[in-house]
Amino acid sequence: DAGVIQSPRHEVTEMGQEVTLRCKPISGHDYLFWYRQTMMRGLELLIYFNNNVPIDDSGMPEDRFSAKMPNASFSTLKIQPSEPRDSAVYFCASSPQLHSYEQYFGPGTRLTVT
Amino acid sequence: AQSVTQPDIHITVSEGASLELRCNYSYGATPYLFWYVQSPGQGLQLLLKYFSGDTLVQGIKGFEAEFKRSQSSFNLRKPSVHWSDAAEYFCAVALNRDDKIIFGKGTRLHILP
Repeated sequence: DAGVIQSPRHEVTEMGQEVTLRCKPISGHDYLFWYRQTMMRGLELLIYFNNNVPIDDSGMPEDRFSAKMPNASFSTLKIQPSEPRDSAVYFCASSPQLHSYEQYFGPGTRLTVT
Repeated sequence: AQSVTQPDIHITVSEGASLELRCNYSYGATPYLFWYVQSPGQGLQLLLKYFSGDTLVQGIKGFEAEFKRSQSSFNLRKPSVHWSDAAEYFCAVALNRDDKIIFGKGTRLHILP
């Protein structure tokens, strides 16, 4: 298996623009997570899905952020409109079972909002 | 609320020296405990995990961790580090198997040649 795939790896955009980050989890994994990593706040869980259904979105910072999982092999995290404080590395991870078991992380998307 | 603390932001050791990275958690019960490693430009990779049983846990890449209930600690150790161990290490905790994982702020390990 190729592991968790994220695209793009780097994204630079201007404030106010819409940003869409993409993730393909490992086949057969029932759980998918979106994390944000910054120097100030460390690694934060934004939202996670179980069998394509959002279970906990309490970490989503505000309404500008939304996440979808239309099928078992694809998820998106969208920021609209983007702001400079959204600059961070966004990780997608998947897990085969109950989500306290091993999580497999993608390489991340480094987002810069100018 | 449960939390996990990694008191050292940076640690520098010489290649071949032993390593211990500290991790403390705050929760009354015994949580599920994890150590992850993040190499530069990469996602996180699980090194080891503790759920119950033997308090000394062996992981990948020659790492081990010891759970000490009396100290609420789960320190990561390696007897002899290699230059390739330079990375950021995250301790993490979950209340139970159904709970989300909370990550510490991380400890960046630097290796001197």
